[in-house]
Amino acid sequence: QLQLQESGSGLVKPSQTLSLTCAVSGGSISSGGYSWSWIRQPPGKGLEWIGYIYHSGSTYYNPSLKSRVTISVDRSKNQFSLKLSSVTAADTAVYYCARESGYGLDYWGQGTLVTVSS
Amino acid sequence: EIVLTQSPGTLSLSPGERATLSCRASQSVSSSYLAWYQQKPGQAPRLLIYGASSRATGIPDRFSGSGSGTDFTLTISRLEPEDFAVYYCQQYGSSPRFGQGTKVEIK
Repeated sequence: QLQLQESGSGLVKPSQTLSLTCAVSGGSISSGGYSWSWIRQPPGKGLEWIGYIYHSGSTYYNPSLKSRVTISVDRSKNQFSLKLSSVTAADTAVYYCARESGYGLDYWGQGTLVTVSS
Repeated sequence: EIVLTQSPGTLSLSPGERATLSCRASQSVSSSYLAWYQQKPGQAPRLLIYGASSRATGIPDRFSGSGSGTDFTLTISRLEPEDFAVYYCQQYGSSPRFGQGTKVEIK
């Protein structure tokens, strides 16, 4: 059974960089046919897709966040990461990692709350 | 840029009733890349439907999806107590995006 687990700093100061990692277990992140996504959800609001990275390493980002987002993969650790720069209070959210199989986002992490505050 | 608009915002129904949720796209969406998710408080979303009408693994057959082009529908034939939640539609594949959600609440 595939499992995803987010980790990283739960509190980030304004203007700094948010960094999160998603550890994948029960399967290889290098397996073909999948992309690995980050999605966020501000408190009490809906879902916002941030971006994804393919098994090949190519990336695609939400145009509204593109200038601040970097998603990378570490195959040796079977994990992928999110960096979001120049954060503000508007970036406070629960951040989820998930796998897309070509048939929707079929596996999700439990989510991690990141608060932007001084 | 495609915008997905879900309606209604909130649906108040009783257990046993039928729920019909709408997802309308501002431009045509490939049916192959339209999904529905269920989210309960404090939990990650769960994939219900992919390809507009295919149920994900383990999803009860009271959930069904339909539609094409710009109009898609999620139907819950008879609401069970555990079905009261927020539902999101999503275009996945290239340029993924979510609708704003429909809350199904107990009347």
